[in-house]
Amino acid sequence: GQNIDQPTEMTATEGAIVQINCTYQTSGFNGLFWYQQHAGEAPTFLSYNVLDGLEEKGRFSSFLSRSKGYSYLLLKELQMKDSASYLCAVREANSGYALNFGKGTSLLVTP
Amino acid sequence: GAGVSQSPSNKVTEKGKDVELRCDPISGHTALYWYRQRLGQGLEFLIYFQGNSAPDKSGLPSDRFSAERTGESVSTLTIQRTQQEDSAVYLCASSLGGMTEAFFGQGTRLTVV
Repeated sequence: GQNIDQPTEMTATEGAIVQINCTYQTSGFNGLFWYQQHAGEAPTFLSYNVLDGLEEKGRFSSFLSRSKGYSYLLLKELQMKDSASYLCAVREANSGYALNFGKGTSLLVTP
Repeated sequence: GAGVSQSPSNKVTEKGKDVELRCDPISGHTALYWYRQRLGQGLEFLIYFQGNSAPDKSGLPSDRFSAERTGESVSTLTIQRTQQEDSAVYLCASSLGGMTEAFFGQGTRLTVV
């Protein structure tokens, strides 16, 4: 099994940068994913990290440190439409590659 | 298909009745996941299929819940003798093997009255 921890809520200003942290404990790490979920909608894939380091994709970047069991999602040049829940998910090899999610971080972007 | 399709999109059922939820994954995706999401809560893992077999059933909350998958395609999640606590959105996702990102369907909103 595993524990995945994220802050429950965050608020940031339009145009700013925000970092959403995720820590996890797992015995068979096999990749970390970030998803975005707008209210009433299905989650959509943002990023994937399996090796240590930073993955950049446009305004979004994700970082992983396997030794620390730590990841963050960095959102730059925030837009109002970025207000959503951000879900950290860990794939664990010991359970046949099941994908387990944290409870999500609700981000509110204000003008 | 173009995306993961779930049916029905909404289901209202009386307490004690059985319900069957369907998921059509993206064509060719061998991995399929079921999750439950209660209002304002995170995604609760239920079950994972690789092909037609389920290596991980640890998330099924009780023996009233069961799932099957046939032909490495369609999956059904069955909830017997539904209870009010079963009310939630049930999300299905599929991925190309177990090592790539999962794509989600729009979910089935189940309300038990």
